[in-house]
Amino acid sequence: DAKTTQPTSMDCAEGRAANLPCNHSTISGNEYVYWYRQIHSQGPQYIIHGLKNNETNEMASLIITEDRKSSTLILPHATLRDTAVYYCIVRKTSYDKVIFGPGTSLSVIP
Amino acid sequence: DGGITQSPKYLFRKEGQNVTLSCEQNLNHDAMYWYRQDPGQGLRLIYYSQIVNDFQKGDIAEGYSVSREKKESFPLTVTSAQKNPTAFYLCASSTPGGNAGYTFGSGTRLTVV
Repeated sequence: DAKTTQPTSMDCAEGRAANLPCNHSTISGNEYVYWYRQIHSQGPQYIIHGLKNNETNEMASLIITEDRKSSTLILPHATLRDTAVYYCIVRKTSYDKVIFGPGTSLSVIP
Repeated sequence: DGGITQSPKYLFRKEGQNVTLSCEQNLNHDAMYWYRQDPGQGLRLIYYSQIVNDFQKGDIAEGYSVSREKKESFPLTVTSAQKNPTAFYLCASSTPGGNAGYTFGSGTRLTVV
C-alpha cells in the first residue's frame, strides 16, 4: 500500500482557508486518496475522497495534482470546530489494510 | 440510522484479566477492522476481517484475539498477554472497492488499573 506524508501540525486563522497538504508519491493507478479527521477522543470522520479529478462537497475541496503524487485538502472558511487531526490515506480497489499515519494536527486560531 | 456501535465507551481492567470490546454494525458492510490509538499517535491495525468466519492479523495482533461469527459483529478480546493494553480502541467497517470509505465507531477507552 502506498504511504502518505503530512506535516505534523499547522495553524490557521478563523475564517481563512486551511490548506492541508499530503504527499503520496508512490500511489498506484487504482488507489483513491481519502481524507478523514478526528476530533479528540472520537472516531475519525470521513471528509472527502478522489481518484484523479478534483472533488468538492459541503465540507471541503480536494485538489489532486496531475501526476497524483500529492494532494491538498481545502477547508474554505475554517472555524474553531475544524480544530482536529486530519489524516490522508490511500486505498486500493480491494479489501486492504490501510495505514493511518500520525496525520496533521490543525489548530484554528480565533 | 445505520452506523457502528462500540461498547462500552470506557472500560477499566485489572492486570491479568481478559476483556472483550464490542463492535456492531448495521451497514451491511463485509469488512471490519480494529485499530489501536495511543496518545499523539496514528491508528495501528490490530485485526481485520473481510468476510464472516475469516480474519487476518494486522501489524500489532500479539495479545489480542477476534471472532467474526456474524457479519454484523466483530468483538475484540484484549488478553492478559497484551503487555500494555491501555489505549483508545477504534472499530471500523467498509464495503469492497477503493471508491468506498471507512465508517468508524466512537471508540472504547481501555484503562488497566
